[in-house]
Amino acid sequence: GDQVEQSPSALSLHEGTDSALRCNFTTTMRSVQWFRQNSRGSLISLFYLASGTKENGRLKSAFDSKERRYSTLHIRDAQLEDSGTYFCAADGYAQGLTFGLGTRVSVFP
Amino acid sequence: ETAVFQTPNYHVTQVGNEVSFNCKQTLGHDTMYWYKQDSKKLLKIMFSYNNKQLIVNETVPRRFSPQSSDKAHLNLRIKSVEPEDSAVYLCASSLGTYNERLFFGHGTKLSVL
Repeated sequence: GDQVEQSPSALSLHEGTDSALRCNFTTTMRSVQWFRQNSRGSLISLFYLASGTKENGRLKSAFDSKERRYSTLHIRDAQLEDSGTYFCAADGYAQGLTFGLGTRVSVFP
Repeated sequence: ETAVFQTPNYHVTQVGNEVSFNCKQTLGHDTMYWYKQDSKKLLKIMFSYNNKQLIVNETVPRRFSPQSSDKAHLNLRIKSVEPEDSAVYLCASSLGTYNERLFFGHGTKLSVL
């Protein structure tokens, strides 16, 4: 079935630094979504992309519009509240989204 | 701000019991879902429901069944729980057809003793 590979699996960031997360797909995907799961388990929607890029505050996401086989999430000027587990999920024309295993992000002072 | 509401937050039960989890969305969305998140944090689709059409992930055991009274509600019933059903169950909704932007509830954590 469809596979979503997320990297890195974990990331430690100093406050104020920038970083990028990536998802690779083993097949062409129709769209991609990014979520952050906080310590209480709530999954918060960050982005939905069918193509191109979107930006929201210090977060920016891109979805490769040509081959549609990877997506990135950039964190700029990391803050403590950015800590959490980030998931990408892709729509591969099958039932439901296929989720990656997540990137655990820890931001420290 | 939460707009997908799940109850209960936690449930502990014994093998063989029946359980039911509730989900309600106030977003006016047309499609609702149930996902299961296992102990390794992997999320997998269980059910998608849109306009009285139900799509079932073929890997879901038959003891699981969704129940909907209207498009704002999609409950999950487990007829006879097994130890491997211990997990977090997440309800979600999206505006139109399947797999548009999803909004999740806070989840129901099930522990089967």
